[in-house]
Amino acid sequence: EDQVTQSPEALRLQEGESSSLNCSYTVSGLRGLFWYRQDPGKGPEFLFTLYSAGEEKEKERLKATLTKKESFLHITAPKPEDSATYLCAVQLTGNQFYFGTGTSLTVIP
Amino acid sequence: NAGVMQNPRHLVRRRGQEARLRCSPMKGHSHVYWYRQLPEEGLKFMVYLQKENIIDESGMPKERFSAEFPKEGPSILRIQQVVRGDSAAYFCASSRTGITEAFFGQGTRLTVV
Repeated sequence: EDQVTQSPEALRLQEGESSSLNCSYTVSGLRGLFWYRQDPGKGPEFLFTLYSAGEEKEKERLKATLTKKESFLHITAPKPEDSATYLCAVQLTGNQFYFGTGTSLTVIP
Repeated sequence: NAGVMQNPRHLVRRRGQEARLRCSPMKGHSHVYWYRQLPEEGLKFMVYLQKENIIDESGMPKERFSAEFPKEGPSILRIQQVVRGDSAAYFCASSRTGITEAFFGQGTRLTVV
């Protein structure tokens, strides 16, 4: 059965304290892996797409990496405005997107 | 360059009524996905449509729920005879080709009273 698991469920960081969020997956026919950010009461906001193992993408304080079994979202020197729920999704060969349950990140000033 | 537009943003229905949720994809996007999100839970896939076609409805309950994406106009998610358990946030996403990233709307929050 296809599965997407994110860890930790929740993470509290001091401002400037770098960390990583994990997304592990067991799926057949992976087309791509996507990271989104979701703020309370809003729709998910697209961050990155990764298609092959070894690929990396960066945007400001965020860097996403991909291996054959998992992806990491590295947050360097986070700021309070980075507080949000971060979702990863896998896209299968049928084009559907399946989401993990997310990591709720809180950055304390 | 408007994003994915969903309306209404909030919808209150009494048990037994029908709910119609609308989604206008981004310009140039012909692939639409619908998701349901309950508090403290992840996004659950419901249905994937391309213009005039349902590609995958494996996540949608067999009864009371239906979806369409006509040649002209928005995609519609219809829930007939709503029950309290249908209360949730419903999100729509669109993609240009189906193999590129999907962009989400702000959701419709359905409350069944």
